[in-house]
Amino acid sequence: AQSVAQPEDQVNVAEGNPLTVKCTYSVSGNPYLFWYVQYPNRGLQFLLKYITGDNLVKGSYGFEAEFNKSQTSFHLKKPSALVSDSALYFCAVVSGNTPLVFGKGTRLSVIA
Amino acid sequence: DAGVIQSPRHEVTEMGQEVTLRCKPISGHDYLFWYRQTMMRGLELLIYFNNNVPIDDSGMPEDRFSAKMPNASFSTLKIQPSEPRDSAVYFCASSWDSLTYEQYFGPGTRLTVT
Repeated sequence: AQSVAQPEDQVNVAEGNPLTVKCTYSVSGNPYLFWYVQYPNRGLQFLLKYITGDNLVKGSYGFEAEFNKSQTSFHLKKPSALVSDSALYFCAVVSGNTPLVFGKGTRLSVIA
Repeated sequence: DAGVIQSPRHEVTEMGQEVTLRCKPISGHDYLFWYRQTMMRGLELLIYFNNNVPIDDSGMPEDRFSAKMPNASFSTLKIQPSEPRDSAVYFCASSWDSLTYEQYFGPGTRLTVT
């Protein structure tokens, strides 16, 4: 069965500093990997995805993620964090004919 | 497009009552998903439809939960009878014609069962 792990419940970073939100996955076939963001009292919003091709994927709001097959990771990164990036971030994976499996989420807090 | 529309946005009901949540997916999307989000259990997939047909309902907690999609533009999630442990935020999401496409989420329905 496919699964996603987000090892950190909470990540704190100072505004202007780089941020990383970690994600590792486990699938039996080729993974399709996603990042979503959830702001308070809102639904999840798609940020970026990896299907195939370049391992570095660029998405909305200056976010990017790197697919690392050997480490089965898909960490989310941003060079310079903004206070407005504070939200709940979800990593998710699809493989084969099974729908998205979400991680438990990581709460990002960017401090001014 | 207005995005995925859910109603009501908030629902407060008493234990034992029937609750019906509604969803209008984005026009042209072939997949529709129902999720439940709680602090304890995170985001759980309850059921999903492809072209109005239920494909996987293994996430539905028990027989008190049922979902229908009578046409491409409307779906309901019903809880009968409701219990306090059903209190959660319920999201509907839709996507294009493959599971590898990104999902578009509605704003959610916050259900409180007293």
